[in-house]
Amino acid sequence: DQQVKQNSPSLSVQEGRISILNCDYTNSMFDYFLWYKKYPAEGPTFLISISSIKDKNEDGRFTVFLNKSAKHLSLHIVPSQPGDSAVYFCAAITQGGSEKLVFGKGMKLTVNP
Amino acid sequence: DTGVSQNPRHKITKRGQNVTFRCDPISEHNRLYWYRQTLGQGPEFLTYFQNEAQLEKSRLLSDRFSAERPKGSFSTLEIQRTEQGDSAMYLCASSLEGIRDYGYTFGSGTRLTVV
Repeated sequence: DQQVKQNSPSLSVQEGRISILNCDYTNSMFDYFLWYKKYPAEGPTFLISISSIKDKNEDGRFTVFLNKSAKHLSLHIVPSQPGDSAVYFCAAITQGGSEKLVFGKGMKLTVNP
Repeated sequence: DTGVSQNPRHKITKRGQNVTFRCDPISEHNRLYWYRQTLGQGPEFLTYFQNEAQLEKSRLLSDRFSAERPKGSFSTLEIQRTEQGDSAMYLCASSLEGIRDYGYTFGSGTRLTVV
């Protein structure tokens, strides 16, 4: 039972353009959402998070948007750079003090020079 | 501080053997997590320690799996009587409080292959 879904396995964009990575969830008890980036042979690296009481959080080139009614969030990367090429994971955490992250399957982003 | 360190990086073992992995978290982090990642999937939560106390365990952590963090510093994950389905990347992570805003810091993982 996939509570966090990343339905597109891959995305390819040109350098300088916008990358939009999508994520859907089913569990209404999630209160925070996080994005991680993973390069080959490395562990995932935290990028950005958003609380369920917000609809947008921005950090430099990375912005996450949350549509709680649609149970949908997206990560925007502007402008995209070749170094952004990696697998991106959407993750969620349940309210109530849990420390457990529930991850999606990931999406491979390729940014072409 | 060099981050979260996991050893070994790779382990090949025969089915039925026992294996043990070690994780050294970032020194000031009191929370430590183990995850498992199989091909094409995201990481799946196994267990979580706050200091030396094991506070959460997934049902994925069968009775063949045991994790310890005896002095609240490094942790070990042992798999007894390994099966081919145990082949995966085992990831360790650590954090201070505030994981909602800062996430965990993951290590590079131990890749287990059971033959």
